Amino acid sequence: EAQVTQNPRYLITVTGKKLTVTCSQNMNHEYMSWYRQDPGLGLRQIYYSMNVEVTDKGDVPEGYKVSRKEKRNFPLILESPSPNQTSLYFCASRKGLDGDTQYFGPGTRLTVL
Amino acid sequence: QKEVEQDPGPLSVPEGAIVSLNCTYSNSAFQYFMWYRQYSRKGPELLMYTYSSGNKEDGRFTAQVDKSSKYISLFIRDSQPSDSATYLCAMNSGGYQKVTFGIGTKLQVIP
Repeated sequence: EAQVTQNPRYLITVTGKKLTVTCSQNMNHEYMSWYRQDPGLGLRQIYYSMNVEVTDKGDVPEGYKVSRKEKRNFPLILESPSPNQTSLYFCASRKGLDGDTQYFGPGTRLTVL
Repeated sequence: QKEVEQDPGPLSVPEGAIVSLNCTYSNSAFQYFMWYRQYSRKGPELLMYTYSSGNKEDGRFTAQVDKSSKYISLFIRDSQPSDSATYLCAMNSGGYQKVTFGIGTKLQVIP
């Protein structure tokens, strides 16, 4: 089954404690993205990657890091989380072709106290 | 001005009604137009996609794109309570270009 998986699904942490949200896809997709979804603001792209070792900033990259060492994995790293990073996070992947389907993971609800 | 504008709703309709959801956009480079459905506590899933202007029908769903007006619509016929979800429009100019999303319209279909 084609899918994007994320872990953890729910996380409560404290300010400044480094965390990593993992993302993995089994569709051999080149293009992967991280989004955050906030009420009234919708889905905003944090970072994206067009292939292994190729990453770039999206619309809201401040406070986040990513890496793409393998094609299937695209972890999101918050080195020093702050309360304004409390949000619902989605990982997504697609082939990168015209009109292709973007598949989303189930989401990670992060609360930073 | 946002690149993609979408009324967040909520929109409440009785079961069986025809639902019309809309988005406007400002970037004339957009060529691919998509509608995603997002149930509560789930990730968005692709519902419909259309290339350039025109209509596309899939069962009870019809997507329309009017590039001259920079306006896209999704129609749901014979709406069902199971259609209750948030509907997000999305668009890009193709290939590796970023997909830009609307804010999403929350729809509730009342039995």
